[in-house]
Amino acid sequence: SAVISQKPSRDICQRGTSLTIQCQVDSQVTMMFWYRQQPGQSLTLIATANQGSEATYESGFVIDKFPISRPNLTFSTLTVSNMSPEDSSIYLCSVWGTSGANEQFFGPGTRLTVL
Amino acid sequence: GQQLNQSPQSMFIQEGEDVSMNCTSSSIFNTWLWYKQDPGEGPVLLIALYKAGELTSNGRLTAQFGITRKDSFLNISASIPSDVGIYFCAGLGETSGSRLTFGEGTQLTVNP
Repeated sequence: SAVISQKPSRDICQRGTSLTIQCQVDSQVTMMFWYRQQPGQSLTLIATANQGSEATYESGFVIDKFPISRPNLTFSTLTVSNMSPEDSSIYLCSVWGTSGANEQFFGPGTRLTVL
Repeated sequence: GQQLNQSPQSMFIQEGEDVSMNCTSSSIFNTWLWYKQDPGEGPVLLIALYKAGELTSNGRLTAQFGITRKDSFLNISASIPSDVGIYFCAGLGETSGSRLTFGEGTQLTVNP
């Protein structure tokens, strides 16, 4: 398995501001994933963060709105820029386990409320 | 893109009852994962399935990888109040690379 921590666990922000979410993993991993979970909804993949290269964004998500950093193999940040109330969601990071089996593990999430 | 249809959307059961939920897809999946999410938490992996026909248990939970590779089900036996939560299926398809596709979730309520 993998142990993942996220900061902050929750935040309340004003419209137009930006928030950076941190994700720390207890082992070195090649790929880290950022998801958004809107209220009452399932998980939607925002982007895949690879160390040493630019993140790969899914359809509907752009780098200007969700810039991602991946400075090393255990850490990544996701910034939610120029926030609006529609960005109120839970943001989750995840990684594939390091055992070789296809098992993806999730952090506890960051609950964001934009006023 | 790939989609997973998960049903039922919600279930209300009495403690002690058995529960079954399933996911279906129009395309083939190579891996099925089942997660449980409690309020305010991230999803927790319950069971992983890798081969068609595979049947795997984790305590009172049993999941199967469908023979056609286009479906999976999760059973919970003798439900207890702490089984309350949202259950998600997720799959890794032949053309999705390392990106999981998630079902819409099943909200389970257990009445004591």
